[in-house]
Amino acid sequence: QKEVEQNSGPLSVPEGAIASLNCTYSDRGSQSFFWYRQYSGKSPELIMFIYSNGDKEDGRFTAQLNKASQYVSLLIRDSQPSDSATYLCAVYSGGYNKLIFGAGTRLAVHP
Amino acid sequence: DAGITQSPRYKITETGRQVTLMCHQTWSHSYMFWYRQDLGHGLRLIYYSAAADITDKGEVPDGYVVSRSKTENFPLTLESATRSQTSVYFCATKGTEVYNSPLHFGNGTRLTVT
Repeated sequence: QKEVEQNSGPLSVPEGAIASLNCTYSDRGSQSFFWYRQYSGKSPELIMFIYSNGDKEDGRFTAQLNKASQYVSLLIRDSQPSDSATYLCAVYSGGYNKLIFGAGTRLAVHP
Repeated sequence: DAGITQSPRYKITETGRQVTLMCHQTWSHSYMFWYRQDLGHGLRLIYYSAAADITDKGEVPDGYVVSRSKTENFPLTLESATRSQTSVYFCATKGTEVYNSPLHFGNGTRLTVT
């Protein structure tokens, strides 16, 4: 079992819709969770982080964390074509020296 | 403010050759990391360094060597390149002010081993 799992996609949503991206992790001791966005040919950029159970909102983005289910998600409201990218879920595992990434979910927002 | 600079951006080398990828940061961050990114695998940690002269292995360290004599530099060396090391390599940093802070990435080096 991979430490951090994501559906590879592509997830295709129409412009203006809500995109829902999901991630599960295996280390029950993990406390810190991150979402990165990566455009093709570019480096990952941080868009959200969440440390506590529940929801955290930042503009059109909402991160949701459920530690009991070992599940973290990212919602993108009012999706735009510019949101089309690969979204990487990352979790500190086995301490805070190693940030482990999922393989990423490719999101395509079509007009 | 350049932040993290990786060089070269693109590199083509032959099997068996030694190649070094450079990473330089201007933030004085304590931690530095090397990841490789391949289709289907996402980002995988090769090595990391908590401070100058302190390095440790990540998930996929075989075939790679690192050093960190200065805080700002963290070179990654492939001692005898193999085709399986064809990948995009990212350097990243984080400070120690907050232990669970996110990583900041450089622009990457695309390495092709022929």
